Amino acid sequence: GNSVTQMEGPVTLSEEAFLTINCTYTATGYPSLFWYVQYPGEGLQLLLKATKADDKGSNKGFEATYRKETTSFHLEKGSVQVSDSAVYFCALEGGGNKLTFGTGTQLKVEL
Amino acid sequence: NAGVMQNPRHLVRRRGQEARLRCSPMKGHSHVYWYRQLPEEGLKFMVYLQKENIIDESGMPKERFSAEFPKEGPSILRIQQVVRGDSAAYFCASSPGGRADTQYFGPGTRLTVL
Repeated sequence: GNSVTQMEGPVTLSEEAFLTINCTYTATGYPSLFWYVQYPGEGLQLLLKATKADDKGSNKGFEATYRKETTSFHLEKGSVQVSDSAVYFCALEGGGNKLTFGTGTQLKVEL
Repeated sequence: NAGVMQNPRHLVRRRGQEARLRCSPMKGHSHVYWYRQLPEEGLKFMVYLQKENIIDESGMPKERFSAEFPKEGPSILRIQQVVRGDSAAYFCASSPGGRADTQYFGPGTRLTVL
């Protein structure tokens, strides 16, 4: 079946540091890939997505590239801010409209 | 344009009681999904509904759980005879329809079973 594996957190960074959160997946066919962000006490918000190989999703300074050869969709940001502190979820949609999520990676950004 | 609405935001039930969780999708969205988030875990798919139809309930526990999305009104996730293991955050999402359509999530209902 489909599965998503994310690096475990928490990840603690200083403001303006470079961020990478690794995500790899297992799926048959050609899934769509997503990153969602969850702020404390809130629901999930779509951060970015990519629907085919080599696509790059980007939003608010975050980027992720759909790499079929390595089955990866790593999230990156060049300079994090305190306001980026949240839990980040990688997810895939492999047919049937249901999302399969990773376990989430908590990011803490300190001044 | 209001987002996905869920209520209540917090729900406390004693073991054996019933829990009813409501979800109103975004305007124009006819597809609704329910996910459960257990403490320290990611979200797990439960059920996918369109108006008056259950499309996929492969993630629903076989007993005590049911879901509906009537022609009029919100989608309801119903948990009968709750147990402590049902304590979780339940998220609803909606989409306009179609494969890989972006799903928009509500704020969730946090169920606590005493």
